[in-house]
Amino acid sequence: GAVVSQHPSRVICKSGTSVKIECRSLDFQATTMFWYRQFPKQSLMLMATSNEGSKATYEQGVEKDKFLINHASLTLSTLTVTSAHPEDSSFYICSAPKERGSNTGELFFGEGSRLTVL
Amino acid sequence: SQQGEEDPQALSIQEGENATMNCSYKTSINNLQWYRQNSGRGLVHLILIRSNEREKHSGRLRVTLDTSKKSSSLLITASRAADTASYFCATPWRFGAGTRLTVKP
Repeated sequence: GAVVSQHPSRVICKSGTSVKIECRSLDFQATTMFWYRQFPKQSLMLMATSNEGSKATYEQGVEKDKFLINHASLTLSTLTVTSAHPEDSSFYICSAPKERGSNTGELFFGEGSRLTVL
Repeated sequence: SQQGEEDPQALSIQEGENATMNCSYKTSINNLQWYRQNSGRGLVHLILIRSNEREKHSGRLRVTLDTSKKSSSLLITASRAADTASYFCATPWRFGAGTRLTVKP
């Protein structure tokens, strides 16, 4: 079964609204979670590293005020796309390391959230 | 940012044939991983190879790693239609461009 749950799987919103995507680790704790963005037929682009109890680390070129990340507990990270516009339409995927504190890199992935901004 | 390039970008083969996908990366690594993604879904971890390993097998999968060339390959033997998916390498949290594999029945 899934070990990382992501919700919602699909969301359609009007331009200018904000959308929140949740990523939960099931049956394990994740001090770190990763948020990716994926355009059709392209690879995953790392947006930010979410750190429990501290500020997220954003990749170069990712607007932190646009993509708000909150990692308030060891099992939940949220990504809020603020004032969404059509160009924000994409597939957003979260992941968490298999082992807490591990640096091996093996990740569990959520099923992704497809955002469509009208 | 992406870690590197994968080659080919798309590969179409017949069921039963072998599929080879290559990945290049830019930085020093402790390990390299391969993932699979079915269309519109999350990724599934396939195999991890450490920097001190040159080859690793898992079922029909064979992964090689050449740290001197900063490259890796994934071989899927005796492919099946169900292997149709996109395959990505990662080092460890940044992903290559991926190869879209289509296996025709």
